[in-house]
Amino acid sequence: AQSVTQLDSQVPVFEEAPVELRCNYSSSVSVYLFWYVQYPNQGLQLLLKYLSGSTLVKGINGFEAEFNKSQTSFHLRKPSVHISDTAEYFCAVSAPAGGTSYGKLTFGQGTILTVHP
Amino acid sequence: DGGITQSPKYLFRKEGQNVTLSCEQNLNHDAMYWYRQDPGQGLRLIYYSQIVNDFQKGDIAEGYSVSREKKESFPLTVTSAQKNPTAFYLCASSFRGQGKADTQYFGPGTRLTVL
Repeated sequence: AQSVTQLDSQVPVFEEAPVELRCNYSSSVSVYLFWYVQYPNQGLQLLLKYLSGSTLVKGINGFEAEFNKSQTSFHLRKPSVHISDTAEYFCAVSAPAGGTSYGKLTFGQGTILTVHP
Repeated sequence: DGGITQSPKYLFRKEGQNVTLSCEQNLNHDAMYWYRQDPGQGLRLIYYSQIVNDFQKGDIAEGYSVSREKKESFPLTVTSAQKNPTAFYLCASSFRGQGKADTQYFGPGTRLTVL
């Protein structure tokens, strides 16, 4: 079984400040990790994903995340945020799919990032 | 343009009525999924289908039904048995069984309100 914990339900920051959204996971097997962003009344858009290889993953809109296996974390960062980054962010984890096995995607509860001018 | 479409965007229903939410994709994805989103609870899986004419229950399937007669389409019916149907419903799709993560891509959602 897998679970995801997003440690902050809301994160307020000022424009051009750095931000970190924290995500911890638990799993008995190796995992794949994802960050999605959701703007109000819209679907989820994939920001970035970690499948294997380099633990530092770069995504769209200047976001990046670092996979830390020993701390079971996958924190999302951006060095300088814009007003347009105001949205809800979801961390998700899945186990490898194979054959007829379905790699279920488990989501955290979301972090609302609010960027103030 | 390839993508996932959901209709309608907003839907109102009276108690005791069944209602069907549409989800169509032209990404040639094998698998499709339905999620329910409530404030502060993230996304919860209702049903998923990995192949045409086959589907499985997710974590909260009670009060919902689906069909998968075509690869491109995965409609969700919210029945009168669903006790608290007011929510935002999201459809997603992905390739399947490639030995790697089946990255899911999402539609724009349908907001259902029961009056």
